[in-house]
Amino acid sequence: RKEVEQDPGPFNVPEGATVAFNCTYSNSASQSFFWYRQDCRKEPKLLMSVYSSGNEDGRFTAQLNRASQYISLLIRDSKLSDSATYLCVVNPLKAGNTPLVFGKGTRLSVIA
Amino acid sequence: IAGITQAPTSQILAAGRRMTLRCTQDMRHNAMYWYRQDLGLGLRLIHYSNTAGTTGKGEVPDGYSVSRANTDDFPLTLASAVPSQTSVYFCASSDGRREQFFGPGTRLTVL
Repeated sequence: RKEVEQDPGPFNVPEGATVAFNCTYSNSASQSFFWYRQDCRKEPKLLMSVYSSGNEDGRFTAQLNRASQYISLLIRDSKLSDSATYLCVVNPLKAGNTPLVFGKGTRLSVIA
Repeated sequence: IAGITQAPTSQILAAGRRMTLRCTQDMRHNAMYWYRQDLGLGLRLIHYSNTAGTTGKGEVPDGYSVSRANTDDFPLTLASAVPSQTSVYFCASSDGRREQFFGPGTRLTVL
């Protein structure tokens, strides 16, 4: 089983739609979780961290289910500018500068 | 300089040539990383450094070497480039508070 798995998509949704991405991770000891966004031909950038209690940032909601080892990202009222690849990212260990583990990404296209 | 810079932006290289990709950060981050990104394969870690003077191997280190003489710079060297090293290379850094910041990338083509 890969460390971090995501549905590669693409997800093609109309403007205004709600879309959800899921991600599973294999290491139950993983301590921190993130969603990154990557635009075409650009570098990945942090979208939001994922907290155990779930967290929201505007139209974006992230949730963590430790028991099932999955992370989700919900985007409400999709905008054209949301079109990008969304990377699920896991920090596998508790201490030190452990390299993050990146999923391969889920591609979202928001269509007018 | 603000954040992470990489040079060159892009490069076309003949197979067998030596090439060094440069990465510099001005955030005084302890940790730095090199990734390559290929279509369908996602980001793959090549080498990393947790602090100046130390380096470690990632998932795909073969054919690459790194050095970390100081906090700011983390060059990646291809001793003898091969076509399979054609990729987009991203450098990243972290202060240990978990988020990684990425440079703009270097597009390398090996012919």
